Amino acid sequence: GENVEQHPSTLSVQEGDSAVIKCTYSDSASNYFPWYKQELGKRPQLIIDIRSNVGEKKDQRIAVTLNKTAKHFSLHITETQPEDSAVYFCAASLSLSGGSNYKLTFGKGTLLTVNP
Amino acid sequence: GAVVSQHPSWVICKSGTSVKIECRSLDFQATTMFWYRQFPKQSLMLMATSNEGSKATYEQGVEKDKFLINHASLTLSTLTVTSAHPEDSSFYICSARDPTGQFSGANVLTFGAGSRLTVL
Repeated sequence: GENVEQHPSTLSVQEGDSAVIKCTYSDSASNYFPWYKQELGKRPQLIIDIRSNVGEKKDQRIAVTLNKTAKHFSLHITETQPEDSAVYFCAASLSLSGGSNYKLTFGKGTLLTVNP
Repeated sequence: GAVVSQHPSWVICKSGTSVKIECRSLDFQATTMFWYRQFPKQSLMLMATSNEGSKATYEQGVEKDKFLINHASLTLSTLTVTSAHPEDSSFYICSARDPTGQFSGANVLTFGAGSRLTVL
């Protein structure tokens, strides 16, 4: 099955700096890669996603890059703010078509702390 | 957007009792729902895939008889932790996907708020 590795497990940055979280996946058939943000005691929320036919996607201060050849993808947060502090999870999915083949495999998460 | 409701948000029970957790898709129909377990400061571990009108698909290592899943309608899946023991204490989160993509991308998983189970 799919295996997703995520690094680093913890990341501390100063407000205004950039933060980068990296993930690798094992199954070359994976074609959908979302990123979720989970604040303490709350549900995970999708912040950005990318599909395998795209190399980069940006949404304001957040961007994701995908390298299919190397099987890795990264989350980039620029101009970090204290409210960005949370646990971030990357994930990979085997299928876009849904049904029994649709299953997200999550990385272990990165605890991001943005210091004021 | 797509909304998934999960109840109860927390429950405390005695060892040996059973606990039922409900997961509802409020504004869309979900033929498939997913149940995750999350330990403190750890990742989301998929327990099983709940399929409407058929048996759930369990991940390796998850006891089917311990964690009973029922998906009787297109908007409701339930997880019952049977004969709960302290080691079953955890945060259980359900999620669902709106295949029509009406409110978000068709592949976007929307999570419930989670249920924190404490078994004494």
